[in-house]
Amino acid sequence: EVQMLESGGGLVQPGGSLRLSCAASGFSFSRYAMTWVRQAPGKGLDWVSTISDNGGPTYYADSVKGRFTISRDDSKSTLYLQMISLRAEDTAIYYCAIYQQLGPMDSWGQGTLVTVSS
Amino acid sequence: EIVLTQSPATLSLSPGERATLSCRASQYINMYLVWFQQKPGQAPRLLFYGASNRATGIPARFSGSGSGTDFTLTISSLEPEDSAVYYCQQRAFWPLTFGGGTKVEIK
Repeated sequence: EVQMLESGGGLVQPGGSLRLSCAASGFSFSRYAMTWVRQAPGKGLDWVSTISDNGGPTYYADSVKGRFTISRDDSKSTLYLQMISLRAEDTAIYYCAIYQQLGPMDSWGQGTLVTVSS
Repeated sequence: EIVLTQSPATLSLSPGERATLSCRASQYINMYLVWFQQKPGQAPRLLFYGASNRATGIPARFSGSGSGTDFTLTISSLEPEDSAVYYCQQRAFWPLTFGGGTKVEIK
């Protein structure tokens, strides 16, 4: 069974940092691109970042470019999101998921809540 | 950036009725569109990829169509468990973008 388990969320002050992790299992992690999507409380889905398979290109939403860094450790089947200079508007549930431009693979974790507040 | 406009914002229908949800892209995206269903307190669930390819385990009452700039998600006969918010996402160009969602309410 394909599973994602996000962790690392919490309460952080504006300007602070957090690193999110997503432990994947049940599939060949290294063969797939991976993505982070967030959802602010009561709002819609918001794409954050995607990393290609095999250490390929990374992509970011303009709203997080220069502040967030996506990375992966294929040996640990784990996806990361390093977040710095956090703002109140980054408050959201952060989900990790498999990404395919044109394919059926889809599995999301339960999400991890990031709250940016003083 | 490609803007996806979903309509209507809310759809309130009775069980057994047909639901038609629209997603319009601001630029040509070929067939690189996916649909998600999200129920309260749950993660999104993929319904369709490539605009019209049903994902694993999705009931046949759901269908996806369209290409280019206009896309449609149809639920042929609503069931109570179809109450959810439905999102489209384009995967043709970076940055990826989502539509604002359509909330389907079952009367």
